[in-house]
Formats: sequence, C-alpha cells, structure tokens
Amino acid sequence: AQKITQTQPGMFVQEKEAVTLDCTYDTSDQSYGLFWYKQPSSGEMIFLIYQGSYDEQNATEGRYSLNFQKARKSANLVISASQLGDSAMYFCAMREGMAGYALNFGKGTSLLVTP
Amino acid sequence: GAVVSQHPSRVICKSGTSVKIECRSLDFQATTMFWYRQFPKKSLMLMATSNEGSKATYEQGVEKDKFLINHASLTLSTLTVTSAHPEDSSFYICSARGWVSGEQETQYFGPGTRLLVL
Repeated sequence: AQKITQTQPGMFVQEKEAVTLDCTYDTSDQSYGLFWYKQPSSGEMIFLIYQGSYDEQNATEGRYSLNFQKARKSANLVISASQLGDSAMYFCAMREGMAGYALNFGKGTSLLVTP
Repeated sequence: GAVVSQHPSRVICKSGTSVKIECRSLDFQATTMFWYRQFPKKSLMLMATSNEGSKATYEQGVEKDKFLINHASLTLSTLTVTSAHPEDSSFYICSARGWVSGEQETQYFGPGTRLLVL
C-alpha cells in the first residue's frame, strides 16, 4: 500500500504567488517524521523542511511552510512568493518509527513557475 | 552544513561489466547510509540500508548478489552493480541521516550517479 500519496502530478503557479503541494500519509506508528525535498533537473535532492509527529507547531523554513494536520494525516507544503527557480520536482517523504530511518517517498509533484 | 558526496556522477559501461559507486559523508560520521534508485520521472525507491561494519539490509525484490554494498568505514559506503545489464541503467542516489543545526532531523543526499549500461 502506498504510504505517501501526492495527488498532483503537475502544478503551475505564477511568479510571486503562493502554491500548496499536497501530501497525505499512512502510518500506524505514533512516532514518525515527514520531509519535503526539491529535485531540480540536475537530480540532486535538496532538503526543504521537516515535521516531526510530536511537533505541535507547523514547521517553517524561509518561504517554505508545512501545513501539518495530524488527524487528517496530511502534510502539505506551502511555498510563498514563488520564484522561477522553484520550478522542480517536489517529493514528500516519511520516516516511520525510530528505527531504520529510511524514507518512503511519494511519486512527486512537478511544479512549474511561470513569469 | 553536512555534505554527502558521490562518485562518479556519471558512468557509461558495457553490458557484463561491474560498476562501483562511492558515497561519502564529508564532515560527519554516518553509521547508516541508504541507497535509492530512481527511474526517469519516477520516485526514489529504497534499495538497501547500509550499516557500518555489518551486512546491508536489502529491500524486497532487490538482488543482493547483483547490488553489492560495503560500508567499511563511518564515512564511506560503496554500491557495486555486478555484471551490469541495460535494465540496470538508472539514477542511483545515496543518503545519510543527520541533523540540521543539531536539532532538525534530515537526510542528506548525495548528488546521485547516472548509470548507463550499453
């Protein structure tokens, strides 16, 4: 079963606008971590933001914020004031429990920022 | 911040040859590293967990004799694709668990290795 679901294969946003990338997850663990990564065409995985399951406040990192709704099991990424350089693939990922620490990735969302 | 390097970044080889990919944590010790594989326009799929000083743990469906993993030190893990075939062509990327500013958990990814088997 898919543990991370990203329902938006592709998204468009105009420069300077905000955009929300959706992510829902499935786990029975009480302790888990949620990550967002950006992957430009070069292939490198760029860490954006992390939310722990016990964190009560939504994570923020510059123009990135994570809208964490635990009861709904969603962890949407909000990018404010989009820039042309934000065009890339975005992956939501989850680390379950406290052992292993490997990440399960969603299928990704391709974001295109237009002038 | 912490950096993970991979070498080579690109490799082209003939079918039947073996290819070694190195993953290094440059400024921190990584007892555990992870190897992922990514096909074009697809997500990252975990292949195996590399543990320093012990055998790697492979995900279901990944041939351990095909993809040899060695984690000989706290800063180096290697993935060897043995007897490579065209279907092994892919983007291979490693990662190591770490912390940002000592507090925020993350996984640092290497820049990846594009393998093309002819």
